[in-house]
Order: sequence, then structure tokens, then C-alpha cells
Amino acid sequence: NAGVTQTPKFQVLKTGQSMTLQCAQDMNHNSMYWYRQDPGMGLRLIYYSASEGTTDKGEVPNGYNVSRLNKREFSLRLESAAPSQTSVYFCASLFWGLSSPSYEQYFGPGTRLTVT
Amino acid sequence: AQTVTQSQPEMSVQEAETVTLSCTYDTSESDYYLFWYKQPPSRQMILVIRQEAYKQQNATENRFSVNFQKAAKSFSLKISDSQLGDAAMYFCAYRPFGNEKLTFGTGTRLTIIP
Repeated sequence: NAGVTQTPKFQVLKTGQSMTLQCAQDMNHNSMYWYRQDPGMGLRLIYYSASEGTTDKGEVPNGYNVSRLNKREFSLRLESAAPSQTSVYFCASLFWGLSSPSYEQYFGPGTRLTVT
Repeated sequence: AQTVTQSQPEMSVQEAETVTLSCTYDTSESDYYLFWYKQPPSRQMILVIRQEAYKQQNATENRFSVNFQKAAKSFSLKISDSQLGDAAMYFCAYRPFGNEKLTFGTGTRLTIIP
């Protein structure tokens, strides 16, 4: 099992450029998440997807879009990158069910994005 | 809204000594989970320990233990016999029962002094 994988690991963009961060998990988890991590701010939830075909906003969704392509994959898109989106981005997944929830969110290795 | 507060941005401890990291949270829920995650320089988020709020007994995992005070909404992490590999950012996190979203604190950077 690879767990949660993210591509790319590093990216530099110019202001106004667009890009998509890819995330995939092979643990048959139903819920997937995108976070950003900034110094002194901890991890903040951008968007999440409770199941294939559904997505919901988190704490800081502005400037981002997401797609839950299938059960395995959850992508994050920046349509017009801004310097304020310079951050480290983490994808995570979880098996979620009221009858038998798992406790731990599994995280990918992160993507360091710099917008100049 | 739930909030998680880590009031110690940085801590340091001598190797082999014990250190305690603090975390407080605010919630109106009665059932929830609390977690400590470790983030070493590799950036990987690693679950250290979890606590279910309905359990009175404090969770332990080898050298890691928690002091869970539900009434005070406090959840501290104690690391015994500190090792160089314990150097990392440590994040406290909260999740209410019946909800899948995690709320993180701002983290504590732990340095181990040889």
C-alpha cells in the first residue's frame, strides 16, 4: 500500500498561473481532505469530500476548486494563483462511517507551493 | 466553533528528560476525540496518540502519554525519556464525535538538546 500520495512535491508558479495538485489514496477510504499549512497557523481545512461525488467547503476555500474524480482521487485546483497561496498543501483520507469510524486521518507527504 | 490552542510555540528539553506540551480546546460537545500529531522535518504528519473523551483513563503509547482533563478542556502530551528523534512540530487536534473534520492547533516546535 502506498497510502496517500501527492504530486508534485514542489512547485513554483507565477501570479495568475493555474495548476492542479493531485492526490490519490489506495486504502479504500471514503473521505478525503485538502489542508494548507502556514507558519504559525497550523493546518487549515480548504475543502473536503465525504464520498465520491460530494465536496464541501472547509475553513479557507476562497481561491480554490476541488474535484473528487473517483473514490481514490481528489484534486485541488488553483485557477489564478496569488502570493497569498504560497503554502504547504496536504491531502488526507479517512474511512468515515457512523457505525464504524476509523480514528486516524492519513496524510500525504505534502506539496510545497511558492507563488511569486 | 471549536478552537484548539497551543500556547507554547517552542519548547526544548535535554535528551533523556521529560517534557510536557500543552493544549486546550473549546467545545460545547460532550463526545469527541483528541489527537496529537508529530511533524518531523520530513513534513510527514504522524499520529502519536489519541484520546476518546468518554474514556476517563489517559491514553499512553510507549514513552508518550496524555493528561486529559475534560472539565478543564485540557489535553497535554508528556514525552518521557526524550530522544533526538522526537524533535519535531507537535500539533494538537480535535474532532467531535459524529463529525469527520479535524481542527488543529498552531503547533509547538520541540527541540531536543543532546
